[in-house]
Amino acid sequence: QQQVKQSPQSLIVQKGGISIINCAYENTAFDYFPWYQQFPGKGPALLIAIRPDVSEKKEGRFTISFNKSAKQFSLHIMDSQPGDSATYFCAPITETSGSRLTFGEGTQLTVNP
Amino acid sequence: NAGVTQTPKFQVLKTGQSMTLQCAQDMNHEYMSWYRQDPGMGLRLIHYSVGAGITDQGEVPNGYNVSRSTTEDFPLRLLSAAPSQTSVYFCASSYSWAGANVLTFGAGSRLTVL
Repeated sequence: QQQVKQSPQSLIVQKGGISIINCAYENTAFDYFPWYQQFPGKGPALLIAIRPDVSEKKEGRFTISFNKSAKQFSLHIMDSQPGDSATYFCAPITETSGSRLTFGEGTQLTVNP
Repeated sequence: NAGVTQTPKFQVLKTGQSMTLQCAQDMNHEYMSWYRQDPGMGLRLIHYSVGAGITDQGEVPNGYNVSRSTTEDFPLRLLSAAPSQTSVYFCASSYSWAGANVLTFGAGSRLTVL
């Protein structure tokens, strides 16, 4: 049972462009929606997260938008930089699953200089 | 703080050999877990532990054993390695198993089974 589906699998953008990564989920019990960022040779690290009581959260160049009715949440990277080149994973959580994250398949982002 | 430390970083095994991937955290985290990462499949949960002496299976537990005798350590054992276990393995920990917690990951252990 695939609970989380990310798109696209890979994304190439030019420096200064906007990167958009989407995550669709099935489980309506999810109540915390994080994005993790992974650089080559490293483990994933939390980038930004949102709770379902708000529709958008912004931290610097990174924004999460949340659409509860569509069961989707998206990561937007404004003014994309080569240093943003990484793999991004969504990993929504339910209160009962807690730290037992279910990860999306990942999106490999390449930002060209 | 060192965070989550995994050893070894790289390992090559022959089919049928056994080995243990080590994971240690120095953050007094209650929850620890092992994931494997394969191309196009994201990270899949192998085993997890909600405290010393307590372990449970995740999504893909077959072929792997774990134990948690201390809060700090959570080793992953492969009893008889198979080529299908070629993967990158990540250990992760968090303050608590319940609620919305941030997972801290190790740098990974790349395993190749010939």
